[in-house]
Amino acid sequence: TQLLEQSPQFLSIQEGENLTVYCNSSSVFSSLQWYRQEPGEGPVLLVTVVTGGEVKKLKRLTFQFGDARKDSSLHITAAQPGDTGLYLCAGVVWDSGYALNFGKGTSLLVTP
Amino acid sequence: GAVVSQHPSRVICKSGTSVKIECRSLDFQATTMFWYRQFPKQSLMLMATSNEGSKATYEQGVEKDKFLINHASLTLSTLTVTSAHPEDSSFYICSARGRGLGNTIYFGEGSWLTVV
Repeated sequence: TQLLEQSPQFLSIQEGENLTVYCNSSSVFSSLQWYRQEPGEGPVLLVTVVTGGEVKKLKRLTFQFGDARKDSSLHITAAQPGDTGLYLCAGVVWDSGYALNFGKGTSLLVTP
Repeated sequence: GAVVSQHPSRVICKSGTSVKIECRSLDFQATTMFWYRQFPKQSLMLMATSNEGSKATYEQGVEKDKFLINHASLTLSTLTVTSAHPEDSSFYICSARGRGLGNTIYFGEGSWLTVV
């Protein structure tokens, strides 16, 4: 069962452009995490959002948690080729021993 | 930060054989470990959750007799793919929660399994 829906699945943009990735669910999550994964490596945590309406910034990345804690977005300003990778949102499911359930991911390609 | 290490990072095995992947928490006690499988260009799919000293809880559709998970100590969990077939070829990733580390989950580097 896919608890988290991510969109878009694929995104190819040019350096300098802005983009937004969305993560939606019908479930309420105690927290949502965003990860970035390079091919052949484990995911690397970017941010955890906990409070409804919370906004966190990480340099050119802005993360927002929806007021109802069912959705989140990741906005990248002035994308750079180094931002290329697979972006994954993940939510904690309480009754699975805090297992993370992942969205399908957004594969981002930033070309010079 | 806490470190989770997986071994081997890459393994090739013949169809019909079994292969074991280890997941170790290097500097903390992992009370819960999670095993994920990731096919190329897809997301991570949770296979099972294991708590130290108890049987693993498998997600729907994951064969417990095929994917044997052992979490015998607070620093080691193993995933054994039995009677492997080419369709089992995948990227397997473990993650762990630790005692005293709150709800933070730490991921291993992943293990590529190729069954030929």
